[in-house]
Amino acid sequence: AQTVTQSQPEMSVQEAETVTLSCTYDTSESDYYLFWYKQPPSRQMILVIRQEAYKQQNATENRFSVNFQKAAKSFSLKISDSQLGDAAMYFCAYHREGAQKLVFGQGTRLTINP
Amino acid sequence: SAVISQKPSRDICQRGTSLTIQCQVDSQVTMMFWYRQQPGQSLTLIATANQGSEATYESGFVIDKFPISRPNLTFSTLTVSNMSPEDSSIYLCSVGLTRGGYTFGSGTRLTVV
Repeated sequence: AQTVTQSQPEMSVQEAETVTLSCTYDTSESDYYLFWYKQPPSRQMILVIRQEAYKQQNATENRFSVNFQKAAKSFSLKISDSQLGDAAMYFCAYHREGAQKLVFGQGTRLTINP
Repeated sequence: SAVISQKPSRDICQRGTSLTIQCQVDSQVTMMFWYRQQPGQSLTLIATANQGSEATYESGFVIDKFPISRPNLTFSTLTVSNMSPEDSSIYLCSVGLTRGGYTFGSGTRLTVV
């Protein structure tokens, strides 16, 4: 069974600094997708960034980028120039190609210190 | 990407009663998904709802407790039946995106007293 592990229950960073959130996953599949979702106190799940496993190039979305290491099954999220609005729970998630099910990690609570 | 309207946003219910949560999507989608997020926890898939067929439930979730309707390609409901305090959670619906991944409704925060 596929599993997703986030080993950092909480992280904090100074405003304008850079922070990296870790995620590892376990799968025997070769085709799959990886995601980072943000959940602020409003509880809305917001898609931050996605990565297709067949793409070697790391995905980027403005201040958000990933370090995708397929062989190591690692998928970390880097947030540059952290802003107060980035404070939220961040969930790493996985689903295999054609699958019906998103598998989530345990989440990392990110605090931004002004 | 699809936009989902989920109602109610929150509710406080008496134990033993039932609550029906609605999700309306602004486009036709084949599959809709229902998740539960217990306090301080991650999201767990309850079931997958296909239009015109019975929902598919994940291990640990049963139809009698969480009946789902999917009358058309833009709408679904999840009912939490015979509620107990252990059912206090956030419930979210979700639909798939064409490039992989999912978008979510705004969630229903349920408190059972």
